Formats: sequence, structure tokens, C-alpha cells
Amino acid sequence: QKEVEQNSGPLSVPEGAIASLNCTYSDRGSQSFFWYRQYSGKSPELIMSIYSNGDKEDGRFTAQLNKASQYVSLLIRDSQPSDSATYLCAVNGNKLVFGAGTILRVKS
Amino acid sequence: GAVVSQHPSRVICKSGTSVKIECRSLDFQATTMFWYRQFPKKSLMLMATSNEGSKATYEQGVEKDKFLINHASLTLSTLTVTSAHPEDSSFYICSASPNHTPGGYTFGSGTRLTVV
Repeated sequence: QKEVEQNSGPLSVPEGAIASLNCTYSDRGSQSFFWYRQYSGKSPELIMSIYSNGDKEDGRFTAQLNKASQYVSLLIRDSQPSDSATYLCAVNGNKLVFGAGTILRVKS
Repeated sequence: GAVVSQHPSRVICKSGTSVKIECRSLDFQATTMFWYRQFPKKSLMLMATSNEGSKATYEQGVEKDKFLINHASLTLSTLTVTSAHPEDSSFYICSASPNHTPGGYTFGSGTRLTVV
């Protein structure tokens, strides 16, 4: 079992829709959870961090964490073509572990 | 905000040669920096943790004699790929943070290494 799992996608959504990205992790001791955005050929950019159960909102982005289910998600409201990228889920237990990423395509 | 500079952004080298990649924290001091490697369409894999003034900590399966890490100052870490081979071709990325919160680390712009 991979430590951090994400659906590779691609996830295609129309412009203006809500994109929902999901991630599961195996280490129950994980304390910090992060979403990064990575454009092709570029390095990752931190979008959201979440540390406690529930929702955390920042602009069009909402991160959701459920430690009991070992599940973290990212919602992107009013998706824009510029949101098209690979979204990496990262989980920090003893070290920061990344999922393989989900490709998001927002169609105009 | 925290800025991490990585250089060079792209490098092509011949098999058997060595390549040095630099990672600098521009507006903060970093006692710890992280080096990652990413193959196409794959996840970032942590290679090693660079510790200022001491030896780097390598992840399992990473050859420390092949991937030399030096963290001689609080703002500079270097990764040297020695005796490079085509299979070393990859995207190498460093990260660091002034707040010692690993997930909140800022990434450098990455180095695309191609070994021919």
C-alpha cells in the first residue's frame, strides 16, 4: 500500500464548476497535510495546509481533513483554465511524503 | 515570503561527468534543506535531508557516494551528481523553510538534468 494515494486523473471539469480532489494516507500518526499545485516542468507551489479535522477555506480553495478516515480533500470553486495543473497531496508524519498527483483539466 | 533559489534550471552533461546543483535560501537562514527527485508523471521522492554543518541524511536506496550533499552555510546547500549516467536524468528540486514546518517548505524552481 502506498503511503499517500491519489487518483492520477485526469479530472476534467468545465470552467466555473467545482473540482474535487481526493487523497488518502496510511500513516495514522500524520499530523500535517498539504496541497501543492505543480505546473508542467515547474516545481510545486503550496496552496493549502491543514492540521485539524474539518474544513479550511482560503479564497476559492477549501481543504477538508478527516483523520479517522485518513482522508484529505481539496475543493476548487469556480474553476478556471489557469487551475489546470497537477495537484499533489503531501502528508507529514516522520517525513513529508507526496502522492503521485492528480491532473486537473479545466475546460473553457 | 520565503524565497528559495535553485541553479541551474537546466543542465545537459555527458555520461561519466559530475554536475553540481545549488540551492539557496535568499531571505532566511535554513539549517535544514531537502532534496527531491521527480521522474516524469511520478511523485516527488525525498532523496536526502541536508543539515547545515553536519552530514546529510539519505533516504533508503539513495547512494550517498553518488549524490553528494554539502550544506556549508545557513543559506546554501549543494547536490553533486557524480559520474552521471542516463538513468540519473530527472527533475531535481530542493526545498527549505525558516519555520521548521516541513510541509510549509518553499520549493526551488528545480533543475532538469539530462545525461547523454
